[in-house]
Amino acid sequence: DAGVIQSPRHEVTEMGQEVTLRCKPISGHNSLFWYRQTMMRGLELLIYFNNNVPIDDSGMPEDRFSAKMPNASFSTLKIQPSEPRDSAVYFCASSPAGGGQDTQYFGPGTRLTVL
Amino acid sequence: QKEVEQNSGPLSVPEGAIASLNCTYSDRGSQSFFWYRQYSGKSPELIMSIYSNGDKEDGRFTAQLNKASQYVSLLIRDSQPSDSATYLCAVNWEGNTPLVFGKGTRLSVIA
Repeated sequence: DAGVIQSPRHEVTEMGQEVTLRCKPISGHNSLFWYRQTMMRGLELLIYFNNNVPIDDSGMPEDRFSAKMPNASFSTLKIQPSEPRDSAVYFCASSPAGGGQDTQYFGPGTRLTVL
Repeated sequence: QKEVEQNSGPLSVPEGAIASLNCTYSDRGSQSFFWYRQYSGKSPELIMSIYSNGDKEDGRFTAQLNKASQYVSLLIRDSQPSDSATYLCAVNWEGNTPLVFGKGTRLSVIA
């Protein structure tokens, strides 16, 4: 079975450009999570969807960040405009159940570099 | 505010020794506890989950939970160089709320 799929795996862009990260969760999973990981701050939850509905977006750093989940098999995280401080690894994870009760399966991540 | 604390390390142990990784958390209402392993440049993967006080063993790994003292630990017996990674502790406080992750402890097993 395919795991969580993320694209692109690497993204290098210039400050001010729009960046879109994509995620396909594991089929049948009801919850989807977007995380950002940096050395300084560790793994931070940005937003969490349950049954395609955003449940908790308190981790979204500012209005430049937005996330959508139009259907059960696809989600996007968009940064517009991007800034150098957005450079990080962005992980998408999915889980069979809601919230943090169940195992989360992580995708391979997207390494974003904003110049 | 719910927090999960881990010593960042690095924790260095010789091959064959027991590695002990510790994690404390801020609030007693917690329900579920998870240990994830993350190799450099890779994504986190679950290695253990524990839900009730006591020990839970899985191969060379043992998770220990003490809710009264608000800590959870992971023991790795017969440590191998392939165990060298960052270990992330994660806690779920209420059923439908997301996990809170610690910043991880970097383990180095020296051959």
